Formats: sequence, C-alpha cells, structure tokens
Amino acid sequence: KAGVTQTPRYLIKTRGQQVTLSCSPISGHRSVSWYQQTPGQGLQFLFEYFSETQRNKGNFPGRFSGRQFSNSRSEMNVSTLELGDSALYLCASSPGQVDYGYTFGSGTRLTVV
Amino acid sequence: KNQVEQSPQSLIILEGKNCTLQCNYTVSPFSNLRWYKQDTGRGPVSLTIMTFSENTKSNGRYTATLDADTKQSSLHITASQLSDSASYICVVSASNYGQNFVFGPGTRLSVLP
Repeated sequence: KAGVTQTPRYLIKTRGQQVTLSCSPISGHRSVSWYQQTPGQGLQFLFEYFSETQRNKGNFPGRFSGRQFSNSRSEMNVSTLELGDSALYLCASSPGQVDYGYTFGSGTRLTVV
Repeated sequence: KNQVEQSPQSLIILEGKNCTLQCNYTVSPFSNLRWYKQDTGRGPVSLTIMTFSENTKSNGRYTATLDADTKQSSLHITASQLSDSASYICVVSASNYGQNFVFGPGTRLSVLP
C-alpha cells in the first residue's frame, strides 16, 4: 500500500516568486492536511481539505492557499514568497471522518533565496 | 490557551539504555494524544494514539502512558538503538473530527554507540 507522496522533495525559489507543492494521499483517504515546519516554530497547521472542501484553516496569511481534487490529491500554493517561507512543508492524509490518525509524507523542503 | 509542552528539549543517551520523554498539555476538550517520531528531513511517523480512557499503550520498545487527570503523558523507550535518534513530538487533539491539533515542540533524542 503506497504511502503519502509529496513532490517535489526539494525546491529552491527566489523571493517574490510563487510555488505549488503536490500531495497524493493514501488510496481511499479523503482528508489531506498541510503543515509548515521550521526550526523556530515547530510544526504548524496550515489547512485541511476533505472531499474537495477546505474544512479547517490555520493562522497563515492569504498567500498560502490550497485545493483538493476529486481524486483526493491536493496542492498547496504560496504566492509572493518571502525568506521566512523557507521550511519543510508536510502533507498528511487520513480517512477523514473520524480522527484515526494521520499519515505524513516525507515533505517538500522549500528554500527561498 | 491550548498548549503542549515537552521535556527535556534534548537528550543524549548511550545505546542500550532506557529513557523517558515527558509531555504536559492544557488542551481542552481532550480527544486523544499521539506520539510521533520524526527523523531529520522526514515526515513524522505515528508511534501511539491514546484516548481518554487509555492509560498505557505499547508499540514494540516504545511505551506511552497517559494521565488524563494531571494532563501528562510520557514516552518510555526501552533498550535504545542508534535508529531511535530522532525528534519525538507529542500532539494533542481537541476534537474527533477535522483538524484541531496542538503540537509540542518535540524532544531531540540522540543515541550514541
């Protein structure tokens, strides 16, 4: 059974650019959530999608957005990148209806220069 | 304010020794508590999930305890191995549905030969 797949694994972008990260959940999982992890702030919740609808949202600016497709795959977009956006972005999937637990992907390491 | 604190911040032990990591939380209402292991540059991997009524749960050499009255949890690692070197993150959920997680800052464990 394939796990949660995130692409790309590494990304280097210039300040002011935008970036799109992709997450393919475990087959059958309908919930996909996104997190930002930095050494200073630890893990922080960005947003969660369930059946193509954003179900929860963390406290991040509007530059951070996401969407989920009918096959449950999800994308996260960050516009007008700032140096402080450099982080490990993690995606997690779950069946979605009851809090069974979330399986994380390996993450995308974004570096903004 | 919902918070999760972990101690110690970092820990160094010799291979074969046991250790205990602590997690204190003030999250309310309480749904469940999880311990995750995160290797450097990788996504977190779930070790245990404990609900209100569970006091102890084991996963191989990992044993988690929960005292819902004092709002404390511990993760005990027995006969440590070099591969146990990682960050251990305590996560408390405040609901059964959707995302309402509070993450601890993690404990960085280093196991030396």
